[in-house]
Amino acid sequence: KQEVTQIPAALSVPEGENLVLNCSFTDSAIYNLQWFRQDPGKGLTSLLLIQSSQREQTSGRLNASLDKSSGRSTLYIAASQPGDSATYLCADPPHYGGSQGNLIFGKGTKLSVKP
Amino acid sequence: NAGVTQTPKFQVLKTGQSMTLQCAQDMNHNSMYWYRQDPGMGLRLIYYSASEGTTDKGEVPNGYNVSRLNKREFSLRLESAAPSQTSVYFCASSELFLGQSYGYTFGSGTRLTVV
Repeated sequence: KQEVTQIPAALSVPEGENLVLNCSFTDSAIYNLQWFRQDPGKGLTSLLLIQSSQREQTSGRLNASLDKSSGRSTLYIAASQPGDSATYLCADPPHYGGSQGNLIFGKGTKLSVKP
Repeated sequence: NAGVTQTPKFQVLKTGQSMTLQCAQDMNHNSMYWYRQDPGMGLRLIYYSASEGTTDKGEVPNGYNVSRLNKREFSLRLESAAPSQTSVYFCASSELFLGQSYGYTFGSGTRLTVV
């Protein structure tokens, strides 16, 4: 059964810092991986989707990488801003042969960027 | 570009009452999902529908029923609400093609309180 772990559970940084959020998974038969952000009291917003043929994806100040051999994904945030404060979740979408239907989430990293 | 629309956004029920949460997506996605999110428990899958005409149980289906009305709409029904069903409910959709899931999109959530 796939398990997704995110470290750290919480992170507080001053504005302007570059930071890395980590996501690890137990089943390396992962086809693609998706990163989300959730603001307090809000829904989930998709940030990046790394498909099976890709090793990384970039969107603005965000860069996500996927290393299937080591069972890890990282989300890099450059020049952090207070508006980046949110909980960041990584998830393993379902695929045939895996836990079909169930998007396996990590518990998330709660990021706070101080002005 | 509405994406995934959930109604209502807030609801208070008395124990034993019934209600239906509505969800509609306009992205022509095949698959739809219902999740609940509780503090410390993360997101848990209640039911999902891989394609129109099919539904399957997720991790926590007890006390719920679903209907995939058509490709766009997927409803969640609580027949006899219990305080343990107090939670935030999220609907999501994705494209599932040749065994790979592409790009989950979430609704903004329904905050349900059962008293």
